[in-house]
Amino acid sequence: AQKVTQAQTEISVVEKEDVTLDCVYETRDTTYYLFWYKQPPSGELVFLIRRNSFDEQNEISGRYSWNFQKSTSSFNFTITASQVVDSAVYFCALSEAVQGAQKLVFGQGTRLTINP
Amino acid sequence: GAGVSQTPSNKVTEKGKYVELRCDPISGHTALYWYRQSLGQGPEFLIYFQGTGAADDSGLPNDRFFAVRPEGSVSTLKIQRTERGDSAVYLCASSSPQSGTNTDTQYFGPGTRLTVL
Repeated sequence: AQKVTQAQTEISVVEKEDVTLDCVYETRDTTYYLFWYKQPPSGELVFLIRRNSFDEQNEISGRYSWNFQKSTSSFNFTITASQVVDSAVYFCALSEAVQGAQKLVFGQGTRLTINP
Repeated sequence: GAGVSQTPSNKVTEKGKYVELRCDPISGHTALYWYRQSLGQGPEFLIYFQGTGAADDSGLPNDRFFAVRPEGSVSTLKIQRTERGDSAVYLCASSSPQSGTNTDTQYFGPGTRLTVL
């Protein structure tokens, strides 16, 4: 069965610090997708990134970067120079990459608080 | 363009009552998903539709839960004989699976917060 573990329940840092959110996954599939979503206090899940299991290149988007390590089954998310607006719950998720639509398996989430 | 919308945003009901939750997906998205999110937890899959048919309903907790998507667009999640344990945020997502490419990014609505007293 697929499983996603986000061991950090809550993280609190001061603005401008860098912060890394950990995600470890389990799957027996050789082809799968990994995702990160942000859930601000408003409650709506906001898509951040999708990564194919065959693409282990790290990705950077502005202050956000993602480190995919297939050898350790991890897909960690780093926010550089954090801002108060980054405060939210962040979810890592996994889906099988079978043709067409697939359900997501989510981790428990990490509540990130950025203090001014 | 418009995102996924869900109505109502909040629903308070009494134990034993019947409720319907509505989801309006992004226009043109053929796949639609329902998830349930309990307090402090990640969303858990309930059911997904490809077009009008339920392609996977393995996440529905019991036969009190049912969902329909009669015209392949709007979907309704129906809960009979509600119980206090059904209290949660019910999230809907839609996607446009790309045939032959194995891509599927789900876009979520704001959710319906259901409270069963």
